Amino acid sequence: QVQLQESGSRLVKPSQTLSLTCAVSGASISSGDHSWYWIRQPPGKAMEWIGYIYHSGITDYNPTLKSRVTIEIDRPKNQFSLKVISVTAADTAVYYCARVSGATACPDSWGQGTLVTVSS
Amino acid sequence: DIQMTQSPSTLSASVGDRVTITCRASQSISSWVAWYQQKPGQAPKLLIYKASVLESGVPSRFSGSGSGPEFTLTINSLQPEDFATYFCLQSRTFGQGTKVDVK
Repeated sequence: QVQLQESGSRLVKPSQTLSLTCAVSGASISSGDHSWYWIRQPPGKAMEWIGYIYHSGITDYNPTLKSRVTIEIDRPKNQFSLKVISVTAADTAVYYCARVSGATACPDSWGQGTLVTVSS
Repeated sequence: DIQMTQSPSTLSASVGDRVTITCRASQSISSWVAWYQQKPGQAPKLLIYKASVLESGVPSRFSGSGSGPEFTLTINSLQPEDFATYFCLQSRTFGQGTKVDVK
């Protein structure tokens, strides 16, 4: 069974860079049938799609975040990462990583999420 | 951008009740929607995908219907473990969530 686990900085100062990693077990991140997502949920708000990466390294980002977001894949470590530059308080959220499989065409496995707070 | 309006935001119910949650898309561009269950501190769990397909291992009391712009999640005979928050997803837009709590 696939498992995903987020890790990274929990407290980030305004204007700095938020960095998270999602370690994947039970599935190969190089599988051609999957894509790998980052999703976040600000306090009291709906979930928001950040972006995703295919096994090939092709990415797609939420247009509202595209100028500040980078998602990369690390095949040897079977993990993928998220960087958000120039953060503000509006980036405070629970950040989730997730897998989308070709069969479901939607996130079918999620990490537990990690709360990232932007504050000085 | 598509908006997914989910209702109600909170629903009070008793064990054994039939519960219905609705998501309405602002634009009817797809017949595809997914439904999730989330409990505090846990990862979201996929229940239904492609509007009506039950994910493997999910109890049959959960069902999905609709083809756009309105989609419905139904829980027949609510069980104690079903008290949770439920949300929908279409394309890349999520509903706001419905908290099902004890009446």
